[in-house]
Amino acid sequence: EAQVTQNPRYLITVTGKKLTVTCSQNMNHEYMSWYRQDPGLGLRQIYYSMNVEVTDKGDVPEGYKVSRKEKRNFPLILESPSPNQTSLYFCASSLLHSPLHFGNGTRLTVT
Amino acid sequence: DQQVKQNSPSLSVQEGRISILNCDYTNSMFDYFLWYKKYPAEGPTFLISISSIKDKNEDGRFTVFLNKSAKHLSLHIVPSQPGDSAVYFCAARVTGGGNKLTFGTGTQLKVEL
Repeated sequence: EAQVTQNPRYLITVTGKKLTVTCSQNMNHEYMSWYRQDPGLGLRQIYYSMNVEVTDKGDVPEGYKVSRKEKRNFPLILESPSPNQTSLYFCASSLLHSPLHFGNGTRLTVT
Repeated sequence: DQQVKQNSPSLSVQEGRISILNCDYTNSMFDYFLWYKKYPAEGPTFLISISSIKDKNEDGRFTVFLNKSAKHLSLHIVPSQPGDSAVYFCAARVTGGGNKLTFGTGTQLKVEL
C-alpha cells in the first residue's frame, strides 16, 4: 500500500531534550516536506526537500533541522525543543508538481 | 499574513443538500489550487484541484469553482453525505515555487442526517 509513515504518532517530552520524528514514503517520490498544524493557523511548511541531499527552509524553520540522505526518508529533528513547538506535525511527499500525500501526523507536546 | 483564508470555521448541512465551502486568497501569483479533506487522527487527503487557466473542475459529487478576478474559490459537494463530515482545507501553490502549498485554516463540515 502506497503510504507516508510517521513515527511516533504521539510524543510528550521536556524542554531541551533532543528528539527525532521519522518519516518514510514507499512511492519513490522526489519531493518531501514537513508541515505543522496549529489552531487558527492552518498548516505551515517547516522544511522541504526536492531530492536526496537537497533541502530548504519553509515558512517556519526556526528550531528544526532535517536531512535527506535517502530518497524514502526525511526525518525532522528538534535539537532543543521548546513549548512553542507543541503542535501537530505532518510529513508529506509527492512527485514534483503533483498533489501532496500526507502521513497521519505526530502530536508533539513539549513541557 | 494569511494569504489563504477560510472565513467559516464550521458549516452544518443536511444530508442530501449542497455543501458550499469558500476560500479567498490574496497572492495573485497563486496559479494552482487544491482542496484537502481531513478526518480526525488522519492526515489530509487530496480531494480535487484546479489550475488558474480553468474556472471549474468536476469530479463526481465534488466541483471546484475559481473566480480569479475575485481571488475566490469554492468547493461544492452535491449531494452531501454523512461520510463527508470532516475538516476541509483549501491550499494554493505558485508554479515554480517547488511544491510548496499555502493552506487556509480549514472549515469543519458536519453533514447531519
